[in-house]
Amino acid sequence: DIQMTQSPSSLSASVGDRVTITCRASQSISKYLNWYQQKPGKAPELLVYGASRLEIGVPSRFSGSGSGTDFTLTISSLQREDFATFYCQQSYSYPFTFGPGTKVEMK
Amino acid sequence: QVQLEESGPGLVKPSQTLSLTCTASGGSITRGGYYWTWIRQHPGRGLEWIGNIYHSGGADYNPSLKGRVTISVDTPKNQFSLNLTSVTAADTAVYYCARRIAGAVGEDRFDPWGQGTPVTVSS
Repeated sequence: DIQMTQSPSSLSASVGDRVTITCRASQSISKYLNWYQQKPGKAPELLVYGASRLEIGVPSRFSGSGSGTDFTLTISSLQREDFATFYCQQSYSYPFTFGPGTKVEMK
Repeated sequence: QVQLEESGPGLVKPSQTLSLTCTASGGSITRGGYYWTWIRQHPGRGLEWIGNIYHSGGADYNPSLKGRVTISVDTPKNQFSLNLTSVTAADTAVYYCARRIAGAVGEDRFDPWGQGTPVTVSS
């Protein structure tokens, strides 16, 4: 199985801050990397697919980059509604696997 | 706009079979390019892909579930289902159904997701 790790596991930030979350795969996954946002009590929602393609309707303050084993999700200016847990997920090979999540909390 | 909704019992006894159904509305599950997926989330923990099925019936499963899982599809009802046998407390989780979009190379992703249904395994 491809193992996914994320850092940090949690972070505290303020509205307006630039936030960067890192995801690393245990082997090269090219650009087969997706990002999801999950708010408490809700299902995850797709933000970014193919490492850098923004899902329709997702604000442009979100962006994804990377390829191979190292990926980043960046929120250019954190908004109140962005406080949530973010997960990366590889779609390179079965079984699909997710990172452990990064919780973004209000400072 | 496809919407998905899970249904099934919220409490299952140990050693019994967990059975859930996902009903799709707003689009047919027979449309090509999609795989119908089950994912679970243990309390306070991350996400685990269980498996997926194509409308024609071909399914793939997570080997971690060691042959206990079966996903099936009922195209006339626009539904797909999950059966997980010999459950233990370790199978207590929120179970989500989702559509996997088989996009261009490198662009497979899960969207949308159902709202999730909690299942507790307890006697």
